[in-house]
Amino acid sequence: GAGVSQTPSNKVTEKGKYVELRCDPISGHTALYWYRQSLGQGPEFLIYFQGTGAADDSGLPNDRFFAVRPEGSVSTLKIQRTERGDSAVYLCASSPRVAPTDTQYFGPGTRLTVL
Amino acid sequence: AQTVTQSQPEMSVQEAETVTLSCTYDTSESNYYLFWYKQPPSRQMILVIRQEAYKQQNATENRFSVNFQKAAKSFSLKISDSQLGDTAMYFCAFMKHGGNTPLVFGKGTRLSVIA
Repeated sequence: GAGVSQTPSNKVTEKGKYVELRCDPISGHTALYWYRQSLGQGPEFLIYFQGTGAADDSGLPNDRFFAVRPEGSVSTLKIQRTERGDSAVYLCASSPRVAPTDTQYFGPGTRLTVL
Repeated sequence: AQTVTQSQPEMSVQEAETVTLSCTYDTSESNYYLFWYKQPPSRQMILVIRQEAYKQQNATENRFSVNFQKAAKSFSLKISDSQLGDTAMYFCAFMKHGGNTPLVFGKGTRLSVIA
């Protein structure tokens, strides 16, 4: 079946602009994660959804970052007043149920470049 | 907080040979999970192998196996009969047990398989 998809694949924006990054999880997966991967680093956790609610948003770096998942499926990561330091690959992952042993399946990421 | 350390930024191996990637971690948890993910240039993170900390037996998955040393907090990945398609970034990751928790990743090891 279809895997996790993310759009756009690449996004170039100017400093100060607003961007939205979209994640379509695997159908039926209830858990959804956002990670950020800076150049030369491993992914770092941003936020986790169980269903429609954000179960853990402790990784969001500041209040410019916000994410929603209104119907428990597609999620959108929103970044306001972008800064050059926000440039990174934003990865989304989903897993099928609330269980610590469930594998997280990753999408191909969105590469965000802030000029 | 948990940390994951991968001390080898880059490694190379001849096709058909065996290579071992190192990973150490720090945690005060007694029950947890460890993972190796592969990230090819397409950016998509692919699960290679998973180990439950309560299991003494090392996980294996075809050409991939781990050497899990719980007391030493070490979790190395051995790739046998290396193939050109194994060329990628490899990330070691940690997950706490007990409810959905995010993955904590190391900085990765870039593996090149040479023909």
